[in-house]
Amino acid sequence: AQTVTQSQPEMSVQEAETVTLSCTYDTSESNYYLFWYKQPPSRQMILVIRQEAYKQQNATENRFSVNFQKAAKSFSLKISDSQLGDTAMYFCAFTTHQGGSEKLVFGKGTKLTVNP
Amino acid sequence: DTGVSQNPRHKITKRGQNVTFRCDPISEHNRLYWYRQTLGQGPEFLTYFQNEAQLEKSRLLSDRFSAERPKGSFSTLEIQRTEQGDSAMYLCASSRPRGSGANVLTFGAGSRLTVL
Repeated sequence: AQTVTQSQPEMSVQEAETVTLSCTYDTSESNYYLFWYKQPPSRQMILVIRQEAYKQQNATENRFSVNFQKAAKSFSLKISDSQLGDTAMYFCAFTTHQGGSEKLVFGKGTKLTVNP
Repeated sequence: DTGVSQNPRHKITKRGQNVTFRCDPISEHNRLYWYRQTLGQGPEFLTYFQNEAQLEKSRLLSDRFSAERPKGSFSTLEIQRTEQGDSAMYLCASSRPRGSGANVLTFGAGSRLTVL
């Protein structure tokens, strides 16, 4: 079965500091796509960053970067210079397109609070 | 680009009633997805359309659930004979055709269902 595990239900960080959210996944496929989505309180889910498994280089998007360890099936998200607007639920997700599937498998999420 | 629109945003119904949710995707997106999110969980895949064809259905989608996408534009998700366990946020998302930014889902704000 394809699963995503986010072991940190809640985290907090001080404004301007750095925080890392962890994610591990399980799949037997060799090629897949990994994502971090952000869901602010009472607002819609938006894409933070994505990584293609065949690419060695870790993806970065401004203050957001990932540490992709394919052998360990680990995909952590680092948020630098945290801002109050980063307060949200963060979901790790992946898709393999196995058998033509378009299903995105999500973890249970990590609730991040940025404190002033 | 007005984003993915979902209506109604909130629906309260009595057990046994039927409810219908509507999703209007981004106009140039030919792929449309429905997910369900319960409290404290990540979104769970329900079904996927490419244009008007429903190409994938989750086992979560019981016989009481039906989704349509006539003419490949908007989609409806109907739940018949609602049960209290159907209470959840129903999320719609859309994406571009494969090869041009596919895999990147744009989510709507969701339709929250409460079954009394």
